[in-house]
Amino acid sequence: GAVVSQHPSRVICKSGTSVKIECRSLDFQATTMFWYRQFPKQSLMLMATSNEGSKATYEQGVEKDKFLINHASLTLSTLTVTSAHPEDSSFYICSASNSAYGYTFGSGTRLTVV
Amino acid sequence: GIQVEQSPPDLILQEGANSTLRCNFSDSVNNLQWFHQNPWGQLINLFYIPSGTKQNGRLSATTVATERYSLLYISSSQTTDSGVYFCAVSGGSYIPTFGRGTSLIVHP
Repeated sequence: GAVVSQHPSRVICKSGTSVKIECRSLDFQATTMFWYRQFPKQSLMLMATSNEGSKATYEQGVEKDKFLINHASLTLSTLTVTSAHPEDSSFYICSASNSAYGYTFGSGTRLTVV
Repeated sequence: GIQVEQSPPDLILQEGANSTLRCNFSDSVNNLQWFHQNPWGQLINLFYIPSGTKQNGRLSATTVATERYSLLYISSSQTTDSGVYFCAVSGGSYIPTFGRGTSLIVHP
């Protein structure tokens, strides 16, 4: 149990375009999901907390207008990187919590902006 | 927020060797997990262990919450154990904070 599906796993986009990443909890409901960003050979940094039916809570330094988060249902949260630039290239990973299994992570999305 | 320190930062082993990874945290926690990130970036949950001891095959983990540390034991290491091992903890905010990880390379 407690499976989180994230896709796409890999995306290449042109500079200036927008990219949407989906995170789904497959076998449980998640009122809260988390979005992380990971730079090469570094740890995971929390970007924002996604709350079902309300606005996301962003960490300090994260541009909420660039990284749009929508948590429209108890099983789906989306992260949209708007007007992407090469410096947005990174590994993005989502997480959802379950009382029995703790935090479960999606498989991540490697974004490359060219 | 809670500070998480992992040691060692890097570890190189010969296949078959045993190792111990450590995670120290600065405050009381209600959740602690160990993850393995494989070379493709995927995070695999190894243990959900806010306290006590658990074992899963060649891996085991112990968390001593009162002393604010957790240990991950890898026995008879294999090349497929290579990757980065992260400890993530959460306290009152319930938001998991990650350590910097231990990068493990197992040579055949």
